[in-house]
Amino acid sequence: KQEVTQIPAALSVPEGENLVLNCSFTDSAIYNLQWFRQDPGKGLTSLLLIQSSQREQTSGRLNASLDKSSGRSTLYIAASQPGDSATYLCAVSNQGGKLIFGQGTELSVKP
Amino acid sequence: DAGITQSPRHKVTETGTPVTLRCHQTENHRYMYWYRQDPGHGLRLIHYSYGVKDTDKGEVSDGYSVSRSKTEDFLLTLESATSSQTSVYFCATTESGRAGYEQYFGPGTRLTVT
Repeated sequence: KQEVTQIPAALSVPEGENLVLNCSFTDSAIYNLQWFRQDPGKGLTSLLLIQSSQREQTSGRLNASLDKSSGRSTLYIAASQPGDSATYLCAVSNQGGKLIFGQGTELSVKP
Repeated sequence: DAGITQSPRHKVTETGTPVTLRCHQTENHRYMYWYRQDPGHGLRLIHYSYGVKDTDKGEVSDGYSVSRSKTEDFLLTLESATSSQTSVYFCATTESGRAGYEQYFGPGTRLTVT
């Protein structure tokens, strides 16, 4: 059974720091890995999608990497801002697009 | 983002009452999903659909049923609501279940069963 783990569960950093969020999964037979952002009381916003054949994806200040063989992904956020404060969720999918989520990392960026 | 709406956005109901949640999408996506989000459990798949009238169970399907009679609508029904079904319910869609297709989420429905 696929299991997804995110470390740390919570993270507090000062504004301007570069930071890394970690995601690990137990079964390397995945189609996609997707990173989401969730603000309190809101829905999920897709940040980045990495296909199983890809190593990384970039969008603005965000860079996500994937090492399928070791079952790991990282989300790198450059020059963090208070507006980046949210919960970040990692999810993997297999055939049929069914997502299996980690518990999330709650990020707080202090001004 | 895909045009996904959910209704109602908030609902309070009593134990034993039937409840139907609606998900509507305007992107003509083939795949639709229902997830629930609970503290300590994260998001878990309830049911999904891979086409009109084609549905299948997810990880936590007991006590739920679904129907999809049109591409744009996916209904989740709690036949007899229980307190354990108090949760936030999210609908999601994607164009394809294959690699390379992002999944998009609706705003959620907060359901409280008293």
